[in-house]
Amino acid sequence: QSVLTQPPSVSAAPGQKVTISCSGSSSNIGNNYVSWYQQVPGTAPKLLIYENNKRPSGIPDRFSGSKSGTSATLGITGLQTGDEADYSCGTWDNSLSAWVFGGGTKLTVL
Amino acid sequence: QVQLVESGGGVVQPGRSLSLSCAASGFTFRNYGMHWVRQAPGKGLEWVAGIRYDGSKKYYADSVQGRFTISRDNSENTLYMQMNSLGAEDTAVYYCARDDCTNTWCYAYWGQGTLVTVSS
Repeated sequence: QSVLTQPPSVSAAPGQKVTISCSGSSSNIGNNYVSWYQQVPGTAPKLLIYENNKRPSGIPDRFSGSKSGTSATLGITGLQTGDEADYSCGTWDNSLSAWVFGGGTKLTVL
Repeated sequence: QVQLVESGGGVVQPGRSLSLSCAASGFTFRNYGMHWVRQAPGKGLEWVAGIRYDGSKKYYADSVQGRFTISRDNSENTLYMQMNSLGAEDTAVYYCARDDCTNTWCYAYWGQGTLVTVSS
């Protein structure tokens, strides 16, 4: 059971927008940067967002990140079938003195 | 281009040991912190351990503290993980990842992963 809570699944139609939440506490999200990862099953994760809202080069601006208090959100606009994947948030936890990942959210593009 | 190639996975009996390696190329290895992240079958990502660029500080998840040891050889551009007292709960794909952030940790480059199966 992760200290970061994500919904198990979300779905939306192609072209639509979806948001994925990551809920934590003051010991993790509340006081630390959040990053987001995309993982197609059977492949390595891919960094989508770092330091709450920054995109690495090559990541389209359809992907965005935000943070408010002890929660973070990944937004994806203009959904494509290729966006179907598992999405995980991650951050440092001050109480655990460890990096933690959320449990992951499976995105289905209907 | 940045490449991280893990090796050393396999089937091991409970209670035994296994050593993983991650060969790095395409970047100045000694300038980056490195980490191990694992993923049990059908489960989410779990951070396992990290090591500073110069090896001066190591970090471990509680689940592996005292059993796993992370190390690196900057002259060989290689990251290691010595895993002792393995149990079924350690069965997972193990990824090495490069820390690319300054103000926090974040993982922009990952290896392809190596599967560790703990079974009798």
